Amino acid sequence: DTGVSQNPRHKITKRGQNVTFRCDPISEHNRLYWYRQTLGQGPEFLTYFQNEAQLEKSRLLSDRFSAERPKGSFSTLEIQRTEQGDSAMYLCASSLGTGYWTEAFFGQGTRLTVV
Amino acid sequence: ILNVEQSPQSLHVQEGDSTNFTCSFPSSNFYALHWYRWETAKSPEALFVMTLNGDEKKKGRISATLNTKEGYSYLYIKGSQPEDSATYLCAFVNAGNNRKLIWGLGTSLAVNP
Repeated sequence: DTGVSQNPRHKITKRGQNVTFRCDPISEHNRLYWYRQTLGQGPEFLTYFQNEAQLEKSRLLSDRFSAERPKGSFSTLEIQRTEQGDSAMYLCASSLGTGYWTEAFFGQGTRLTVV
Repeated sequence: ILNVEQSPQSLHVQEGDSTNFTCSFPSSNFYALHWYRWETAKSPEALFVMTLNGDEKKKGRISATLNTKEGYSYLYIKGSQPEDSATYLCAFVNAGNNRKLIWGLGTSLAVNP
């Protein structure tokens, strides 16, 4: 499979629990992005990496959210002490290059439901 | 605040109709404009990345134009088919050191057979 892969596809968790999602980008892509999409909204930027460096993190993200990309390959997004407002689709995308003139390729997302 | 607006919000057309929708973005500080198609239960798929004023791109029955001076892009679908039903998203990229994709809310297209 040469596409962007996200795991798990679905996650149901109780409020207050920690969750971690994984994204495996297309192998030669150096940029990796995390987005969140809630019902009726477009994708909302969370953070992005260029290789292993996290270059930007949205101010909308609270300290409960953290992302890593060790060795510049796969990435993980962790949400600590989940809240019901965290319920959303979490999308990962990757692209090649250092600019935004190349398209981003998206994974199928992880749908998080916090009950 | 950088704002990207798409219109209409939703659209219903009959099979065979041609249609178009608009993406409006800030005309200053332009770097690139992306169009994506997002079908239900699938991941967003890139259609076009446009960087030059006056650019026109085409993929099959779908084409897009770009006017960076006035801050808009049109997406056209010729002879709509039911499989074109999806949400069409545009994303603006600002110039400068702090570049990122700024997304519109999308136009939801339903093509009735």
